[in-house]
Parts: sequence; C-alpha cells; structure tokens
Amino acid sequence: GNSVTQMEGPVTLSEEAFLTINCTYTATGYPSLFWYVQYPGEGLQLLLKATKADDKGSNKGFEATYRKETTSFHLEKGSVQVSDSAVYFCALKDDYKLSFGAGTTVTVRA
Amino acid sequence: DTEVTQTPKHLVMGMTNKKSLKCEQHMGHRAMYWYKQKAKKPPELMFVYSYEKLSINESVPSRFSPECPNSSLLNLHLHALQPEDSALYLCASSQGNTPLHFGNGTRLTVT
Repeated sequence: GNSVTQMEGPVTLSEEAFLTINCTYTATGYPSLFWYVQYPGEGLQLLLKATKADDKGSNKGFEATYRKETTSFHLEKGSVQVSDSAVYFCALKDDYKLSFGAGTTVTVRA
Repeated sequence: DTEVTQTPKHLVMGMTNKKSLKCEQHMGHRAMYWYKQKAKKPPELMFVYSYEKLSINESVPSRFSPECPNSSLLNLHLHALQPEDSALYLCASSQGNTPLHFGNGTRLTVT
C-alpha cells in the first residue's frame, strides 16, 4: 500500500534560518504529492503540490521537488519567519485516498 | 477564508446525545470526505463520498453515520459517542486529481 514517511521533529529555528523537512514515500503507480500546513486551531491548508516526476511545487517561499528516483518530496524554505510556525504534513494522493505523514511541528523564534 | 465551511466550530456532547456535524462546499467538487484528527497526529480518513454515493468507509464504528444530501452538503450524524471520540473532525472536498480542500473543522468534546 501507499505510505509517507516524514521527519517528525519538533523543529525549532531562529527567524531567517533555512528550513528542510524530509519526506519520502512508497507508492504503486504515479501519485500526486502535497505539502499541507496546519496553523494552531485551524484546518489543513494546501501549501504546494506536484503531480509528476521532476515537478517543483512552490508557494510563499516554500519549495519541494517530486523526485521519483529517490521517492522523495522534501520541503525547503530559505528564510523562515515567526508566522511559519505550524505543523507541516507531507501527503500522497492516489485516486481518492490521501495518505499523510506523521507531521512535523515547526517553531520559529524571533 | 476557507471554501469548505464546517459548522459548528466547537461541540460538547454527552455520551447519550445525538448531534450532527455539517459541511458545505460550492466549488462543484463531487468527492467529499470526513477525517478525524487527534492532537499532534495526522488526519485519519473516515468516509469518502463520490457523486453523492458512499465509496469508502474505513471501518468506522456505526455510532458515526455519514449522509450526503446533495453534491454540496455532507453531514456526520453522531450518536452514543465515547470520550475517546473527542477530536477535530475535518471535512474536505476534491474533484478528479485536484488536491483536497479542507474546512477548519469541528472540535468535538464528548463528556
């Protein structure tokens, strides 16, 4: 079956630091890959997506590239802000089903 | 602003109560979902409706009863819940290969 593995954290950073959250997946077929973000007390918001190999998703300074050869979709941001503090979920969609990683809690300190 | 609207935002209910969670979307999506999320965990899929028909039930106990009255609405009827059912309940929708769009959830507490 499909599965997603991401580093669980928590991750604590200073403002303007570089952020990487690793995500790898196992899937049959050719799934779409996503990063969702969840701010405290809210639902999940789509951060970025990639639907095929070598696609790069980007949004709000975050980027992730769909790497089929390493089955990875690592999230990166070059300079984080306090407002980026949230839980980040890597996810894989195959047909109707969305499989999530465990989530990574990121705290950015001023 | 979220395009998937869930009501109520918060709900406290006793174990003998009957209540319903509601979800609405006007994006024309034909797949709608219920997820359950416990604190510090990823969401867990409960049900999927496709074109108003139940297509996936992830072995959810019968005290949770979903209903899809039309293509824009999704309900989750609750009856005889247990305290361990306390969680954030998330509704989502999608169309074809589009990403799932999530609502802000209903935070349910069972006393």
